Amino acid sequence: EAQVTQNPRYLITVTGKKLTVTCSQNMNHEYMSWYRQDPGLGLRQIYYSMNVEVTDKGDVPEGYKVSRKEKRNFPLILESPSPNQTSLYFCATGQGSTEAFFGQGTRLTVV
Amino acid sequence: QKEVEQDPGPLSVPEGAIVSLNCTYSNSAFQYFMWYRQYSRKGPELLMYTYSSGNKEDGRFTAQVDKSSKYISLFIRDSQPSDSATYLCAMIPPGVTGGGNKLTFGTGTQLKVEL
Repeated sequence: EAQVTQNPRYLITVTGKKLTVTCSQNMNHEYMSWYRQDPGLGLRQIYYSMNVEVTDKGDVPEGYKVSRKEKRNFPLILESPSPNQTSLYFCATGQGSTEAFFGQGTRLTVV
Repeated sequence: QKEVEQDPGPLSVPEGAIVSLNCTYSNSAFQYFMWYRQYSRKGPELLMYTYSSGNKEDGRFTAQVDKSSKYISLFIRDSQPSDSATYLCAMIPPGVTGGGNKLTFGTGTQLKVEL
């Protein structure tokens, strides 16, 4: 079954404590992205990757890091989380088409 | 001004109604237009996409693009309670391939279809 798996699904953390949200896909897709979804602002792209070791900034990259060492994995790293990074995060994958396959989401709360 | 504007709703309709969902956009360079459906506590899933202007039909769903007006629509015929979800329009600017890369989303319209 084609899957985009994010972990954890829910996370509450404190300001400044580094965290990583993992994303893994089993579809052998080249493209992977991270989005955050906020009320009234919709989905906004944080970072994307076109292939292994190729990443680029999206629309709201500040405060986030990513890496793409393997094709299937694209972790999102928050080195020093702040309350304004409280959001619903989605990982998405695709293969040169117009379709993006989204994970189930990670709800992050930073206190 | 946001690049893509979408009425957040909520929109409540009776079962069997025809639903019209719309987005306007400001960047005339957008070429690919998509509609995603997002159920509560789930990730968005692609419903339909169209390239440039025109209509596209898939079962009860019809996507319409009017580039001259910078306006796209999604029509749902014979709406069902299972259609209750948030509908997001999305666009890809030219020179960018798709596949989850560089999508610009509207904020979504919440739809509720009541029995």
